[in-house]
Order: sequence, then structure tokens, then C-alpha cells
Amino acid sequence: AQTVTQSQPEMSVQEAETVTLSCTYDTSESDYYLFWYKQPPSRQMILVIRQEAYKQQNATENRFSVNFQKAAKSFSLKISDSQLGDAAMYFCAYSGGYGNKLVFGAGTILRVKS
Amino acid sequence: DADVTQTPRNRITKTGKRIMLECSQTKGHDRMYWYRQDPGLGLRLIYYSFDVKDINKGEISDGYSVSRQAQAKFSLSLESAIPNQTALYFCATSEAGVGTDTQYFGPGTRLTVL
Repeated sequence: AQTVTQSQPEMSVQEAETVTLSCTYDTSESDYYLFWYKQPPSRQMILVIRQEAYKQQNATENRFSVNFQKAAKSFSLKISDSQLGDAAMYFCAYSGGYGNKLVFGAGTILRVKS
Repeated sequence: DADVTQTPRNRITKTGKRIMLECSQTKGHDRMYWYRQDPGLGLRLIYYSFDVKDINKGEISDGYSVSRQAQAKFSLSLESAIPNQTALYFCATSEAGVGTDTQYFGPGTRLTVL
């Protein structure tokens, strides 16, 4: 079974600085997708970024980018120029195989200091 | 208007009561999912459905049942609620097909079982 591990329960970053959230996963499949979701206090799950495993190029969405290391099964999220609105719980998730069911990590709480 | 809606948004019930959580979507997606979120565990899959006649158990289906009344509606039932079913419940949808793996979440239902 696939597993997703987020080893940082909490992280803090100063406004305007850069922070990296870590995620590792375990799978025997070669074709899959990886995601970062953001959950602010409103509890809505918001898709931040998506990576297709067969693409070597790291995905980027504005201030959010990933470092995808397929051999190491690592998928970290970098947030540049952090803003107060980035404060939230961040979930790393894996999707692959039949049904493309999502497997989530436990989450990382990101606090942004002004 | 939200593409994926859940009712109720919050619910408090007592042990032994039957309760139904409802999910509706206007995205036209074939696939629908129910997850529960617990602190420190991330989101875990309860049930998923690929169409009205195709319903599958997820990782933690014991104590739950589902009904896919139409392409747009997917309900989750707790036949006899127990306190450890207190959690945040999410419905999600996705398209069917290769490369259409992104799931879109509803706003969540906070369920408390006393």
C-alpha cells in the first residue's frame, strides 16, 4: 500500500521569507500524481500544486514550487515570499493506481510571522 | 455558487443515532469520494464511486454506508453513530480518465457524536 509521510508537524516562517515543507512517499507504481493541498482555518481543501510523476520538470504555481525527486520518492513544497495568508495546514497527497484514490500525509501546520 | 456542496456543515448527534451526510456537485464529474479527517492522521478514504452502479470500499469503511442517488449526489450514512466517528468529513469529485486525477473538495461537515 502507498504511504505518505510529512515529518514536520509544524513550521514557522517570517513574512516575505522562503519556507520548504517536506514530504516523502512510498509506492511501487511508476505512474502516479502528487499534490499539495492547503487547508486554512475555513477548513476548505484548496489545491496548491500538482505534479505528474512522468514529468521531470518541477511544477510551479506563482510563489509555490516543488522539488520532485522521483528516485528518492521525495516531493517538497517551497513557498517563496511568504504571506500572512499562507498560514494554514498543508497536506501532501499521492494518487495512483486503480481509481486514483488520494493517500494523504498527516499534514504540516505553517505559521507565518509578521 | 460552490461546485461541490455538503450538508449539513455542522452536526451534533448522540451515540446510536442514524445520521446522513449529503454531497452534491455541479461539476459533471463521474467520480465521487468520501474522506474523514482526524488530527494527526490527515484524510482517509471511506468510500468511493465511479458511477451510480459502481461503489467501492475505501480504507476505513466499517461503520459507514453510502448511496449514489444520481451522478451528482453521493450520501454517507452512519447507521449507529459512535463517539470515535467524531471527525471532519469531506466529499470530493474528479473526472474519469487518464490525467484527470485532480480531486475537488466540498467545504466539509464537522460531525460530533456525544
